[in-house]
Amino acid sequence: AQSVSQHNHHVILSEAASLELGCNYSYGGTVNLFWYVQYPGQHLQLLLKYFSGDPLVKGIKGFEAEFIKSKFSFNLRKPSVQWSDTAEYFCAVKSATGFQKLVFGTGTRLLVSP
Amino acid sequence: SQTIHQWPATLVQPVGSPLSLECTVEGTSNPNLYWYRQAAGRGLQLLFYSVGIGQISSEVPQNLSASRPQDRQFILSSKKLLLSDSGFYLCAWTRDTLNTEAFFGQGTRLTVV
Repeated sequence: AQSVSQHNHHVILSEAASLELGCNYSYGGTVNLFWYVQYPGQHLQLLLKYFSGDPLVKGIKGFEAEFIKSKFSFNLRKPSVQWSDTAEYFCAVKSATGFQKLVFGTGTRLLVSP
Repeated sequence: SQTIHQWPATLVQPVGSPLSLECTVEGTSNPNLYWYRQAAGRGLQLLFYSVGIGQISSEVPQNLSASRPQDRQFILSSKKLLLSDSGFYLCAWTRDTLNTEAFFGQGTRLTVV
């Protein structure tokens, strides 16, 4: 069964600082990988996704993530955060073959101070 | 385009009362459907998923059940609510194909008092 680990539960940054949120998954087969974001008071929305091809994926609002298969990782990055990036971020994994049960990590709360 | 509706948005129920949360998807057929519970510090916990009408898989033992009476309808129920059932419940769907992301409803904030 798939599982996802997000090691940073709370992150506090100042505006313009660089961001990297860790995500490691456990699954032996081919996977689809996702980062979702939940802004305060809003519903979950997709930030970016990896299905196949280029392991460096670019998403909305300047976010990117890199799939490193050998490390079972899919870390999220942004070179310069803004106050509006304050949100909770969730990494998720799904098998790319057969039925696709989507499993989430525990989330990382990011607070960006102005 | 596809949309997902989840209701009610908030619900306050006494302990021991029944529960019924409904989720419907429009604009697609044969979606995979999911119920998640979101709790602080625990992320999104998958409760149930369904690949078709009448087909329900439970991920964790609990006081809740799910049903899928129609292709695009997914219902989360309980016969008698417990205080520990309080939380934020999210419905989601994915296409019945490979390489697809999940789309989420707005969620239901359930408070059991």
